[in-house]
Amino acid sequence: DTGVSQNPRHKITKRGQNVTFRCDPISEHNRLYWYRQTLGQGPEFLTYFQNEAQLEKSRLLSDRFSAERPKGSFSTLEIQRTEQGDSAMYLCASSLGTGASGGLGKNIQYFGAGTRLSVL
Amino acid sequence: AQKITQTQPGMFVQEKEAVTLDCTYDTSDQSYGLFWYKQPSSGEMIFLIYQGSYDEQNATEGRYSLNFQKARKSANLVISASQLGDSAMYFCAMRSGAYKYIFGTGTRLKVLA
Repeated sequence: DTGVSQNPRHKITKRGQNVTFRCDPISEHNRLYWYRQTLGQGPEFLTYFQNEAQLEKSRLLSDRFSAERPKGSFSTLEIQRTEQGDSAMYLCASSLGTGASGGLGKNIQYFGAGTRLSVL
Repeated sequence: AQKITQTQPGMFVQEKEAVTLDCTYDTSDQSYGLFWYKQPSSGEMIFLIYQGSYDEQNATEGRYSLNFQKARKSANLVISASQLGDSAMYFCAMRSGAYKYIFGTGTRLKVLA
């Protein structure tokens, strides 16, 4: 069990460029989440996948943001036409859940180390 | 609206002493989960402890314990015998619905030698 892996760890880009981040969850986890964390704040939920299906997107996720999890394994988060306000830490988490919406249980989410994005 | 409140932006504790980090929450759900995470300067969120809303006993994990007071809607984290490596940001979180977490703004803990 290698934990949740995120790449790259840091990304510096110019405003208007596109960026893509990758997340590799814990291998047996079927649920995957993306969060955004700005300075001095706790993480904010962006989106959630159950296997390959994207089941929820936050209103924080504008049309410039897209996330995929094509085979229910790794996920990518793409930001198009980046803006300075997109500068943040992007965190990925995974968990083991059962059913489409049920299995409240603990549903402990395990996080990666994040990708820190700086938009100049 | 569901909300997590952490009112202590920063805390200091002497090494080997115990410290309590405060967390209050607001929810209309009957079933919910409460979590504490540690975030060192490296950025990774490390899971510490979980408390279910129907759990009758306070959760404990090694040096971490959760003081759960349901009527007061508080879920304070107690760290016993603090170590220098405990210096980090600590976040309280609540599971909203089946999977979404809501986080507080965090408390920065500094352990003094």
